[in-house]
Amino acid sequence: AQTVTQSQPEMSVQEAETVTLSCTYDTSESDYYLFWYKQPPSRQMILVIRQEAYKQQNATENRFSVNFQKAAKSFSLKISDSQLGDAAMYFCAGDIIQGAQKLVFGQGTRLTINP
Amino acid sequence: DSGVTQTPKHLITATGQRVTLRCSPRSGDLSVYWYQQSLDQGLQFLIQYYNGEERAKGNILERFSAQQFPDLHSELNLSSLELGDSALYFCASSVGMGGDRATDTQYFGPGTRLTVL
Repeated sequence: AQTVTQSQPEMSVQEAETVTLSCTYDTSESDYYLFWYKQPPSRQMILVIRQEAYKQQNATENRFSVNFQKAAKSFSLKISDSQLGDAAMYFCAGDIIQGAQKLVFGQGTRLTINP
Repeated sequence: DSGVTQTPKHLITATGQRVTLRCSPRSGDLSVYWYQQSLDQGLQFLIQYYNGEERAKGNILERFSAQQFPDLHSELNLSSLELGDSALYFCASSVGMGGDRATDTQYFGPGTRLTVL
């Protein structure tokens, strides 16, 4: 079954430190996209970063980067220099089902930033 | 701001009632997706429309229906509401129909919080 798993329900980090959120997925597809979305208390779903499966290079967006390990089906998010505004639920998602346009989401990781 | 708009922000209604949620996609986007976020089920895909046509269906109940209009806005209709339908309903949009993943990045609206009493 095509699934996305986030094994860390909660994480916390000190302001200005680095934190890594884990995500694994299961798919039989070779071409797919993976995403991290952020959901702050406002409940808005905000796209943080995306990774194309056929690209070897890990995606980066400012303080956010991913470690994409295709063979291991792992897709972790690293947040550097954590800021108070980074506090949110983070969802890993992928369009990992052939012929389907839906995103499959993980259960989310709640990130707390300690000042 | 993603450019996707949803109305209303909040909706409180009673069991057995019917409601309509509205979504306007980003300018230029032809696909609209509906998702339900509940506490126990997480984020679940409901349905996708592309340029007015139903494109993909997920875990959408028969009591729920959707459509996309010629101006590309979409409405999600929920009828015979039950307590368990209380959730956050998201609309997302993308340029493509799916299949070309380069154009399939989905941008989410702010959601409509539905409370069924």
